[in-house]
Amino acid sequence: EAAVTQSPRNKVTVTGGNVTLSCRQTNSHNYMYWYRQDTGHGLRLIHYSYGAGNLQIGDVPDGYKATRTTQEDFFLLLELASPSQTSLYFCASSPGGCAETLYFGSGTRLTVL
Amino acid sequence: GDSVTQTEGQVALSEEDFLTIHCNYSASGYPTLFWYVQYPGEGPQLLFRASRDKEKGSSRGFEATYDKGTTSFHLRKASVQESDSAVYYCALSPSNTGYQNFYFGKGTSLTVIP
Repeated sequence: EAAVTQSPRNKVTVTGGNVTLSCRQTNSHNYMYWYRQDTGHGLRLIHYSYGAGNLQIGDVPDGYKATRTTQEDFFLLLELASPSQTSLYFCASSPGGCAETLYFGSGTRLTVL
Repeated sequence: GDSVTQTEGQVALSEEDFLTIHCNYSASGYPTLFWYVQYPGEGPQLLFRASRDKEKGSSRGFEATYDKGTTSFHLRKASVQESDSAVYYCALSPSNTGYQNFYFGKGTSLTVIP
């Protein structure tokens, strides 16, 4: 069974704060993704990676950095958090190639005050 | 560009009602189409997928048929239960790219009243 673990589960920070969201997958998948989920917008892709050291820009990358340190670990960084980044964040992995299934973590709820 | 449109944002049904959630897509060629389900407090999980015209995907009593002619992949279930209450996402993965990408609809929140 595919496993994607996100931490923390909940995070509260202040405007201008520095936040790191963590994701680890134990599936040996090549691709990892960061999405944000907002009412009325559904799931929107922030960044993704197809291997350690690789980073690709998604559809809503502004204000976010990401780093893939290993095959297993993918981090999302908010260096100057803003209230507009209050959201539910999901990490996902997939084997790669075309038409593969995404395996999601349980999400991190971030609140920026 | 490629996109997915889900018509219904919220649906409320009684148990044993028939469910239809509409999904239309825009993409060239034959994208792979997916339905994901997200239960409260969890991440989305695959319900099923289809890759060819007229292919039917199904799982847990839900089904959808890939229709290239109408560019649709509507989700249906004959008799919903309270446990089906969740958010449902239609998604596509293009067929003509050398990398993995997905496009999601905005989601449909289903509430089933016992």
